Amino acid sequence: KAGVTQTPRYLIKTRGQQVTLSCSPISGHRSVSWYQQTPGQGLQFLFEYFSETQRNKGNFPGRFSGRQFSNSRSEMNVSTLELGDSALYLCASSLGASGNQPQHFGDGTRLSIL
Amino acid sequence: AQRVTQPEKLLSVFKGAPVELKCNYSYSGSPELFWYVQYSRQRLQLLLRHISRESIKGFTADLNKGETSFHLKKPFAQEEDSAMYYCALLPAGGTSYGKLTFGQGTILTVHP
Repeated sequence: KAGVTQTPRYLIKTRGQQVTLSCSPISGHRSVSWYQQTPGQGLQFLFEYFSETQRNKGNFPGRFSGRQFSNSRSEMNVSTLELGDSALYLCASSLGASGNQPQHFGDGTRLSIL
Repeated sequence: AQRVTQPEKLLSVFKGAPVELKCNYSYSGSPELFWYVQYSRQRLQLLLRHISRESIKGFTADLNKGETSFHLKKPFAQEEDSAMYYCALLPAGGTSYGKLTFGQGTILTVHP
C-alpha cells in the first residue's frame, strides 16, 4: 500500500498570503489528522476529519481551516500567514471509525514564511 | 487536559547496553499510549502501541497506571536504534478523535 502522501513538500510564502496543503491518506483510511511541528512547541494537533466532517479541533486560530473530500483526501488552509506559521505540517491517516486507531504519518510539508 | 512529558531531550548509550526512554503522562481517564520513532530522513512511524503488548525491534513498553508512565525499554541497544522517539497519548473514547498529544521527544544516540 502506498503511504500517506503530502504535497507540496516545501513552500515559501510571505506574510499575509494564504496557503493550501494537500494530504492523500492510505487507501481505505477514512480519518485524516493534521499536526503542526515547530522546534519550540513540538507536535501540536490541528484538526481531524472523518467522512468529510471535522470531528475534533486543536487550539489554533480560525485562520487554520481544513476540509475532507469524499475520497478521504484532505486539505488544510492557512490564511493571512504570519511569521510564526513557519513549521512542518504533518498529515496522518488512520482507519478512523472509532478515533483511536494508530495514525500513519506523511513526510510533511515544510512551510516557510518570509 | 492531557499532557505527555519526556524528561530526557538527549540520551546516549553504547551498543549492547540497556536503554530506557522515559515517558510520563497526565490524564484523568484511561488513555491509549503509543511510541513513535523517526529515523534520520524518514517519516514518523509507529513503533509500539500499549494495547498490543508486543515487542517491536526488541523494544517493549509497559503502561504503569499507578505511576502514569509508559517507559520504552530495550535490553541491548543497537546502532540502528539511533533516532528521535516520541511518546504520544490519545484519550480513550468520547470526542478524542485523532487528537494525539505528543511529548517533546528524546533523541537516542547509540555509540559503537
